[in-house]
Amino acid sequence: SYGLTQPPSVSVSPGQTASITCSGDQLGDKYACWYQQKPGQSPVLVIYEDSKRPSGIPERFSGSNSGNTATLTISGTQAMDEADYYCQAWDSSTVVFGGGTKLTVL
Amino acid sequence: QVQLQESGPGLVKPSETLSLTCTVSGASITSYYWSWIRQPPGKGLEYIGYIYYSGSTDYSPSLKSRVTISVDTSKNQFSLKLSSVTAADTAVYYCVRLRPTTNYFDYWGQGTLVTVSS
Repeated sequence: SYGLTQPPSVSVSPGQTASITCSGDQLGDKYACWYQQKPGQSPVLVIYEDSKRPSGIPERFSGSNSGNTATLTISGTQAMDEADYYCQAWDSSTVVFGGGTKLTVL
Repeated sequence: QVQLQESGPGLVKPSETLSLTCTVSGASITSYYWSWIRQPPGKGLEYIGYIYYSGSTDYSPSLKSRVTISVDTSKNQFSLKLSSVTAADTAVYYCVRLRPTTNYFDYWGQGTLVTVSS
């Protein structure tokens, strides 16, 4: 079955750029999206169709997808961005999630 | 404003059937696809399945033999049944709106914790 691999954790200093990767076989041929989940809350869509931001998501969130890797980039990371992030794609008519990455802002 | 609200028992006994309902407001259930996703405590997200109002469904291969998702258009609700549950099915269950074609989830319910225990 298809799998998406994310690093378990990423650390970033406030104001710096955080990059979270999501790897899967020929992922660039599929649409990838990203969700942010803070403790005790439901996930929130932050990027869809590789690089589009839903209304209300800050411009510092951006995405890209090429080859075998999709990347979520957070520019000028703020303390409020500390959360778990999940990538998601669609393969063989079913949904696949990555294992999640804990972003720490320190 | 689209809102989804899960409802159902928070405790289910092993080997029994877990049943949850999602009530949708702010959107017609006949206009979108609707899905269930779960998250075991301290773990990641797991897709369960989706339904379209016509009755078309898709289920996760790992749960397919135990899952049924149905829709009630008159109540703007959709439901989940998961049979023969074990402790491994303990999780927060989310009902979610799925945008088809490019396949992403744009609105999530608050989630409901279902514990499987005798």
